[in-house]
Amino acid sequence: TQLLEQSPQFLSIQEGENLTVYCNSSSVFSSLQWYRQEPGEGPVLLVTVVTGGEVKKLKRLTFQFGDARKDSSLHITAAQPGDTGLYLCAGVDYGQNFVFGPGTRLSVLP
Amino acid sequence: DSGVTQTPKHLITATGQRVTLRCSPRSGDLSVYWYQQSLDQGLQFLIQYYNGEERAKGNILERFSAQQFPDLHSELNLSSLELGDSALYFCASSPHSGGAAEQFFGPGTRLTVL
Repeated sequence: TQLLEQSPQFLSIQEGENLTVYCNSSSVFSSLQWYRQEPGEGPVLLVTVVTGGEVKKLKRLTFQFGDARKDSSLHITAAQPGDTGLYLCAGVDYGQNFVFGPGTRLSVLP
Repeated sequence: DSGVTQTPKHLITATGQRVTLRCSPRSGDLSVYWYQQSLDQGLQFLIQYYNGEERAKGNILERFSAQQFPDLHSELNLSSLELGDSALYFCASSPHSGGAAEQFFGPGTRLTVL
């Protein structure tokens, strides 16, 4: 069974701080996605990374896919209250099956 | 608004009962995915349909079944319900069969089993 682990599980920071959340697995994935979910809503895709070592930037968010395609990180610069939510990583294996991590719940305090 | 609709939004029922959750994908999307999200287990992939055919199966219980109809809407049937089945059930759609295709999630159905 493929498993994705995310750390930390919970994170509470002040507005303006930087943070990094991690997504790790012992399995290799063909691609990896990051989603953000707000309370009472479905997850919304932030980015897809497909190449080992790939770095993608989305405004203040920087995503990296590990060289071995087993892990990923999400770095947020100068966090804002609007960044509050549940951040989920999802791995796609070579059988095109999705597996989601348990998520990191981020709270950015004004 | 993702363009994916799910009904009902809330469902309260008793143990042993059977319910049907409905999902309409975005216009033009051929793939439908079903997920269960509970507090202690995160987002669990249940099953995927592509253009009416089952494409992938995850941790779906035998008491659960799904289908995708010719008009591409999908239903998830949950039977012999147990307290532990209480969760948010999400449907997602995408244009393609899998890979790196973006999934668009609906607002979810909150199921409460009493």
